[in-house]
Order: sequence, then structure tokens, then C-alpha cells
Amino acid sequence: GQQLNQSPQSMFIQEGEDVSMNCTSSSIFNTWLWYKQDPGEGPVLLIALYKAGELTSNGRLTAQFGITRKDSFLNISASIPSDVGIYFCASDGDMRFGAGTRLTVKP
Amino acid sequence: EPEVTQTPSHQVTQMGQEVILRCVPISNHLYFYWYRQILGQKVEFLVSFYNNEISEKSEIFDDQFSVERPDGSNFTLKIRSTKLEDSAMYFCASSVIQGSPLHFGNGTRLTVT
Repeated sequence: GQQLNQSPQSMFIQEGEDVSMNCTSSSIFNTWLWYKQDPGEGPVLLIALYKAGELTSNGRLTAQFGITRKDSFLNISASIPSDVGIYFCASDGDMRFGAGTRLTVKP
Repeated sequence: EPEVTQTPSHQVTQMGQEVILRCVPISNHLYFYWYRQILGQKVEFLVSFYNNEISEKSEIFDDQFSVERPDGSNFTLKIRSTKLEDSAMYFCASSVIQGSPLHFGNGTRLTVT
């Protein structure tokens, strides 16, 4: 199956800071999906991207589908404590997930 | 909003026993999935299911695993002879069509002793 490489593995930031994480692959995809997992719960969809170059926002979250269709990034602006969790990217190929970026926000 | 529901939320079993994890996907969804997450690790794809058959499975999904849609609403994962390393959260998910966003349940925590 396709490998999705997420970075960074973890981030420790101060409340109010902006965050950026990304996902890359050697394969081309038609869809990039970003999920967040809160402790003890299942992943929840944040943003879905369907077109190369597409930039989509959902509140303080912004995600972009890379032009090459092999990467995507997720930005969180003005982080708050409830942004804490693990952020996963996933693709349309076989719905495998990246290893995740664990975000910690210090108040 | 419709949800994927999973039961039980926590299952404790002895090594070598069979377990069945149950899921009720969202009613108009056609694709169903099982994922596993060992504590502190990534969400790992196990299997996808469409039209009453497995459409894809990972290398983790070996002969001890099986899936079934026994009726119009339930989707089950059976582990035939559990091992200690099967201890994990098991998530069920469903989607309307292949490649569309997945909706996850809250998982079943399986503890094998």
C-alpha cells in the first residue's frame, strides 16, 4: 500500500501560536483528508480536499492539496487548548492513515 | 447527525478465545472498514468491505480475522484465537462511496490477558 509520511511527529506549542504540519507521499492521490483524534475517541474528519491546488478552510484550520497531488499541509491559526490531539492525514487510495502529528498546546 | 456505533466499548478476553466486535455503520453508507490502533501508535488499516465482500485487506488482516455483515445493519470483526498483541482499540468506519470521508465509531478497546 501507499506510504503517507507525516511531519512533524509531535509539536509542543504555546496557546495562541500558529501550527503547520504536512503529509507527503510518493504516490499521486485524488483526495486528501485530514482527521483529528481526541484522546479515547475515534478520528473525526476536519477537512477534505479533492482538487490539486485546492485551499480549504474550516474555522481556524486551513488545508491545501499540493499541485503535484503528492502532498498536503494543514495549518491551525491561533491555537487553543482544545486543539490538543493527534492529527492524521489519509488518502483516497486505500484509506491508509499517516502516523499522525501529536499536538500539545500549553496554556 | 447519524453516527457509527460500536459495541462493546471495552472487551476483556483471555488469550486463545474468540471475540466478535460489533459495529452499526451509518445507514446509507456502502463501504465499511475496520482499523486498529495499538496504544500510543498510529491508526492501522485492517480491511475494507463492500457489496458483501472484502475489497481490500492489509497484511495485519491474517487468517485469524474475519468480517461479516450478518444482516442489513451490523458489520462485525471476528478474531478467532486472540493473542496478547491483539490488545488495541478497534475502530469501525463507514463511507458513502469509496474515497469519500470516513465516519468513525468511538472504538472498542480490546484487552487480551
